[in-house]
Amino acid sequence: DADVTQTPRNRITKTGKRIMLECSQTKGHDRMYWYRQDPGLGLRLIYYSFDVKDINKGEISDGYSVSRQAQAKFSLSLESAIPNQTALYFCATSDRVGNQPQHFGDGTRLSIL
Amino acid sequence: QQQVKQSPQSLIVQKGGISIINCAYENTAFDYFPWYQQFPGKGPALLIAIRPDVSEKKEGRFTISFNKSAKQFSLHIMDSQPGDSATYFCAASPGTYKYIFGTGTRLKVLA
Repeated sequence: DADVTQTPRNRITKTGKRIMLECSQTKGHDRMYWYRQDPGLGLRLIYYSFDVKDINKGEISDGYSVSRQAQAKFSLSLESAIPNQTALYFCATSDRVGNQPQHFGDGTRLSIL
Repeated sequence: QQQVKQSPQSLIVQKGGISIINCAYENTAFDYFPWYQQFPGKGPALLIAIRPDVSEKKEGRFTISFNKSAKQFSLHIMDSQPGDSATYFCAASPGTYKYIFGTGTRLKVLA
């Protein structure tokens, strides 16, 4: 089983709908992240969480919200989806100690019509 | 200051050749430089990483060269294989959680 699991893997929805993307991990890491990947733009940080009670905005948080339900679970919500939020979304985790590598899930491909 | 500039955007190399991808940064506070490899339908996976106290790090066919004075680092893939065909991202981190990613290089190795 994957260490970082994202669901769903693919989602097509309509403008204005509320969408939740979920991430769960079995690595035991405290830190979790949500990124967005767009062609030619690399990966950009949306939100990150150091623990259940510590959630912070990244560089592109507008239009998104998150919830850290447990150490192992971190969900990303789009309250009212718009077409320019069509992208590939990745969850990642890392250990708390120092500057540790981030471990990514396999992503959710989200299309908003 | 926070950008990491990556080039080229795409690269085609013959099997057995050397693939070279370059990244440049401005923020001198960056002190951790990982490279990630991403295959279609998969998330990025850590390939190799370097800290600025060394000028080179080698793991198998993959080498990072780091030039602190020029604020540049590069990934060299020796004896490139078709299985190396993927998208490669460089990143930089200022000693904390936060990664700044390059825009990616799509590598294709011809058989």
